[in-house]
Amino acid sequence: ETGVTQTPRHLVMGMTNKKSLKCEQHLGHNAMYWYKQSAKKPLELMFVYNFKEQTENNSVPSRFSPECPNSSHLFLHLHTLQPEDSALYLCASSQMRQGGEQYFGPGTRLTVT
Amino acid sequence: QQQVKQSPQSLIVQKGGISIINCAYENTAFDYFPWYQQFPGKGPALLIAIRPDVSEKKEGRFTISFNKSAKQFSLHIMDSQPGDSATYFCAASRRDTGFQKLVFGTGTRLLVSP
Repeated sequence: ETGVTQTPRHLVMGMTNKKSLKCEQHLGHNAMYWYKQSAKKPLELMFVYNFKEQTENNSVPSRFSPECPNSSHLFLHLHTLQPEDSALYLCASSQMRQGGEQYFGPGTRLTVT
Repeated sequence: QQQVKQSPQSLIVQKGGISIINCAYENTAFDYFPWYQQFPGKGPALLIAIRPDVSEKKEGRFTISFNKSAKQFSLHIMDSQPGDSATYFCAASRRDTGFQKLVFGTGTRLLVSP
């Protein structure tokens, strides 16, 4: 595997379900990000992790819970989501330094029914 | 409040033509302006980026023009090809943070007709 991988690629879940999204980066980076991409809206930064420590939480509802066990893996735990949470969830990674470019994964298409 | 405004929302260009996408920003502290290209089923990929100390940057058929006083920047795709059909996002960030806190535009869907 190369670059940034995300699983699953598609997920349909009910509002009472609990599920998790997984991201893995194979680039040796030390920062990882979760973004939400909704139709006709700008990409929204949700969380940033630097060396496994959360450094940014962009006022994300508590029904989204991130976890970063090491600098290569990032999870987004989902519970009691709302239909408006349906979106493409993108993971990215970068080197934590000025100008460190972000590399994105292919995303998980989430549908909440 | 949207900090980066992008236009047009969609664009159709004939093969060989010039595609132009425009962005305007509000925060004068921004000092890094990348463009991302996203194909269906893929994540955004960095295409080209510029810093405000230059007014233009060219990489192959892709050029960024930057107007600091107007707080605007644009992407020009010369000799547009059907393979360029994708969604393009402009973004902006500050370099004083250790990571890029990118603020994205809403995207432009480009279709290059054969």
